[in-house]
Amino acid sequence: EPEVTQTPSHQVTQMGQEVILRCVPISNHLYFYWYRQILGQKVEFLVSFYNNEISEKSEIFDDQFSVERPDGSNFTLKIRSTKLEDSAMYFCASSGGLSDQPQHFGDGTRLSIL
Amino acid sequence: GEDVEQSLFLSVREGDSSVINCTYTDSSSTYLYWYKQEPGAGLQLLTYIFSNMDMKQDQRLTVLLNKKDKHLSLRIADTQTGDSAIYFCAESLNYGGSQGNLIFGKGTKLSVKP
Repeated sequence: EPEVTQTPSHQVTQMGQEVILRCVPISNHLYFYWYRQILGQKVEFLVSFYNNEISEKSEIFDDQFSVERPDGSNFTLKIRSTKLEDSAMYFCASSGGLSDQPQHFGDGTRLSIL
Repeated sequence: GEDVEQSLFLSVREGDSSVINCTYTDSSSTYLYWYKQEPGAGLQLLTYIFSNMDMKQDQRLTVLLNKKDKHLSLRIADTQTGDSAIYFCAESLNYGGSQGNLIFGKGTKLSVKP
């Protein structure tokens, strides 16, 4: 069964450094998402992406975050200048886009900011 | 704003039925989901229900939706030790015929005792 893949599984970065989290969505999906889960808290929506542009973003997704689909398969989340509070599990998801097509999630990238 | 609430823990004996409950606030939700998260793994889609349905059954899983009370439940029949995991309830808001972002509960940790 096709799946969403994320790399790396664990990323350790110094505070202030830039980090790029990578995702390969399911190949025929059209909508792509990033969510994050701070330890012990809810899974929170960050951003959705469709047709090469952001379709929706949350208050969390401020100027330090950006997303890109650099080629036909990858979908990336960049955090420009990481802060301690960016430490979390980051999940990528994709869906076919129609309202009856659910979002499928990757296994997540655990980001640890030191 | 939208909110999804779940009880945090549930403990059952192997072979018993488990019932995990969830309440949500947004009446415009179109789809409601159950995801399963095993330790160190991503979010696995278990099942989902459209908001105009009352019930959906899929093998050992039964989803019940009470739209008036905004209450969703997941029943797992004949619970096995392999069902031990965290179960997340989520709602999605529909816009423009496609899926909006998911709003998650905090998750219910199901422990199955042999």
